[in-house]
Amino acid sequence: GAVVSQHPSRVICKSGTSVKIECRSLDFQATTMFWYRQFPKQSLMLMATSNEGSKATYEQGVEKDKFLINHASLTLSTLTVTSAHPEDSSFYICSASDRGRGENIQYFGAGTRLSVL
Amino acid sequence: AQSVTQLGSHVSVSEGALVLLRCNYSSSVPPYLFWYVQYPNQGLQLLLKYTTGATLVKGINGFEAEFKKSETSFHLTKPSAHMSDAAEYFCAVESGGYQKVTFGTGTKLQVIP
Repeated sequence: GAVVSQHPSRVICKSGTSVKIECRSLDFQATTMFWYRQFPKQSLMLMATSNEGSKATYEQGVEKDKFLINHASLTLSTLTVTSAHPEDSSFYICSASDRGRGENIQYFGAGTRLSVL
Repeated sequence: AQSVTQLGSHVSVSEGALVLLRCNYSSSVPPYLFWYVQYPNQGLQLLLKYTTGATLVKGINGFEAEFKKSETSFHLTKPSAHMSDAAEYFCAVESGGYQKVTFGTGTKLQVIP
């Protein structure tokens, strides 16, 4: 159980276009979802936290208008990188948790590698 | 505030040797502690976690970690390394019950045949 699916696994786009990444919890209801960014050979940096039905909470330094997060249902959150530029190229990872399980564990998706040309 | 320090960005061990990956944390409240493993171009997989209770925690793939409050440490060990253990390992801490997890910078484990 506790499977998180992230799609796509890899995307290459032109500078100026927008890219949407989906994160789905397949067998549980994700009351909270997290979006991370990982630069090469570095750790994960939390970008934002989203709770179903409410606005995402962004970490300091993360542009809300650049990285749009929608958590419309208990099983789906999306991250849209708007007007992507080469500096947005990175590995993006989502995670989901279900506080209803009584445990504070985040289950991670497999990540999306974004390359902006 | 919370933070995690992983000593050694790269660790090499021989196949069959003991694996020891170090993690120290700081937290103003009792923490939850985690170890995750990441294979290339993949997400993170939970190896084990400490929340409350027994301080020696056993995880998947033969790994275990011991929570030592006095040393603020949560080192990861495995008695005998396998080639399949080669990956990057992240220690993480969550405190305050807000589910905001802070990750260490990771330790890349190399297993030498």
